[in-house]
This record gives sequence, C-alpha cells and structure tokens, in this order.
Amino acid sequence: AQTVTQSQPEMSVQEAETVTLSCTYDTSESDYYLFWYKQPPSRQMILVIRQEAYKQQNATENRFSVNFQKAAKSFSLKISDSQLGDAAMYFCAYKNTGTASKLTFGTGTRLQVTL
Amino acid sequence: NAGVTQTPKFRILKIGQSMTLQCAQDMNHNYMYWYRQDPGMGLKLIYYSVGAGITDKGEVPNGYNVSRSTTEDFPLRLELAAPSQTSVYFCASSLAGTFPPTDTQYFGPGTRLTVL
Repeated sequence: AQTVTQSQPEMSVQEAETVTLSCTYDTSESDYYLFWYKQPPSRQMILVIRQEAYKQQNATENRFSVNFQKAAKSFSLKISDSQLGDAAMYFCAYKNTGTASKLTFGTGTRLQVTL
Repeated sequence: NAGVTQTPKFRILKIGQSMTLQCAQDMNHNYMYWYRQDPGMGLKLIYYSVGAGITDKGEVPNGYNVSRSTTEDFPLRLELAAPSQTSVYFCASSLAGTFPPTDTQYFGPGTRLTVL
C-alpha cells in the first residue's frame, strides 16, 4: 500500500520570503501522480500543483514549484514570494494511474505567514 | 460552472439518526468520490463511483452507503449515526478516460458533521 509522509506539522515564513514544504512517499509503482492541495480555514481543498511521475521536468504554477526526486521518492513544494493568503494547511497526495484509484494523503503541514 | 457542490455545510445528528449528504457536479465528470477528514489528518476514501450505477468501497466504508443514479449526483447515506462518524466530509469528482490523462480530483467545500 502507498503511504505519504509529511514530517513538518507546522512551518512559518515571513511575507515575501521563500518556504519549502517536504513530502516523501512510498510506492512500488513506476507511474503515478503527485499533488499538493491547499486547505485554507474555509476547508475548501484547492489544487495547487500536480506532477506526473513519468515527467522529469518539475512542475511549476506561478509562485509554486516542486522538486520531484523520483529515486528518493521525494516531492517538496516551494512557495516563492510568500503572501498572507498562502497561510493554510498543505496536503501532499499520491495517486496511482488508471481506474478510480484513490488519493492517498499525508497528514498535512500548517503554514503560517507572518508580516 | 458551480463545480462540485455539497449540502448541507453543517449538521448535528443524534446517535442513531440517519441522514444523506448531497453532492453534485456540473463538470460532466464520470468519476466521483467521498472522503472523510478527521481532525489533524488527511482525507480517507469512503466510497467512489466510476459512472452512473457503479459504485465501490474505499478504505473506510463501514456505516455508509452510496448510490449513483445520474452522472451529476452522488449522495452519501449515513445509517445509525455514531460519534465515530463525526468528521468533515468531502465530495470530489474527476474526468477519467481522457488523453492525455488528467486524473485531477476537484473537491466540494465539505460538510462538517457532528454526532452527539
């Protein structure tokens, strides 16, 4: 069974600075998807970024980028130029390819953004 | 496009009561999912559906039932509510079978359920 581990329960970053959230996962599959979801106090789960395992290039979405290390089974999220609106819980998630395979979530990292 | 909608947003149940959590999506997605999120945890899959009339169990299906009579709707039924079902419930949908595959799940706003 796949597992996702987020070892940082809480992180703090100053506004305009850069922060990196860590995620490791365990799988025996060679092809899969990885996601970062943001959950603000409203509880809405918002997709931040996704990565296909077969792609060597790291995904980027504006201020958000990932460092995908397939051999190390590591998938970290970098947030550049942090903004107050980035404060939220961030969940790393794994999904096998094909059919309706479930998302396996980590336990989340709470990000605080300070002035 | 409303995306994925869920009703109600909040609900308090007494032990032994039953209720149905509603979920609808207007994105013509074929796959739909129900997750629960317990305090301080990630989401866990309860049930999922790959199309109208087809449902299957996820990780934590006990105490729940689902049906999928239309592509748009995927209600979750709680029978004989128990305190262990106190949680936040999320419905999600995705479009499968495209090329290239997307597999991205889009979530509703959640329903906070308390069983006392």
